[in-house]
Amino acid sequence: QSVLTQPPSASGTPGQTVTISCSGSISNIGNNYVYWYQQFPATAPRLVIYRNTDRPSGVPDRFSASKSGTSASLAISGLRSEDEADYYCVTWDDSLSGFYVFGTGTKVTVL
Amino acid sequence: QVQLQQWGAGVLRSSETLSLTCAVSGGPFNTYNWTWIRQAPGKGLEWIGEINPSGTTSSSPSLKSRVTMSVDTSKKQFSLKMTTMTGADTAVYYCARGSASGSYRGWFGPWGQGTLVTVSS
Repeated sequence: QSVLTQPPSASGTPGQTVTISCSGSISNIGNNYVYWYQQFPATAPRLVIYRNTDRPSGVPDRFSASKSGTSASLAISGLRSEDEADYYCVTWDDSLSGFYVFGTGTKVTVL
Repeated sequence: QVQLQQWGAGVLRSSETLSLTCAVSGGPFNTYNWTWIRQAPGKGLEWIGEINPSGTTSSSPSLKSRVTMSVDTSKKQFSLKMTTMTGADTAVYYCARGSASGSYRGWFGPWGQGTLVTVSS
């Protein structure tokens, strides 16, 4: 079963911009919207980006995202200590009968 | 607001069947898909499957043969059964509201509180 590839870790100092990549294939990212989730330890994930680039209400505009071809990326600008968390991309995969596929996850550390 | 409350056995022995149920309150049930996601200790998120109010299901190809999902719209509940559990299935299991019917796929939330399921040999 395919997965979406993310770097295991990313880091930055307060105020910097951190960018996380999410690499897939034509059957998933190439053909479907990408969503991004933030997860703190021992808590359920929280949606931070939907439909490639949109932010739900309540998510700071420091969070932005893009998609190109079979890859997507999430950027956190003006990095803050409270952004330290795990981040996952997810999308639908059209192969077989269709299924969701998550990224491998990226731990963002604020130095 | 919409809340999901889940329950089920937290400790299983190898080869036993996992059974979890998730109850929805505070919002509509019949216009959304309902999803199960798990996370092994220290690992990433893994989608298990989803069910719509009509009972139509989709499952992860790697788990499909072991997974059964059901829905009770009168109680606003949905359930997961997973057979032949092993240590590799030890994880926190979450229920979550999925995308609205006919909408774009990928929106998960709200989420249940999660159930840690430990499978021992």
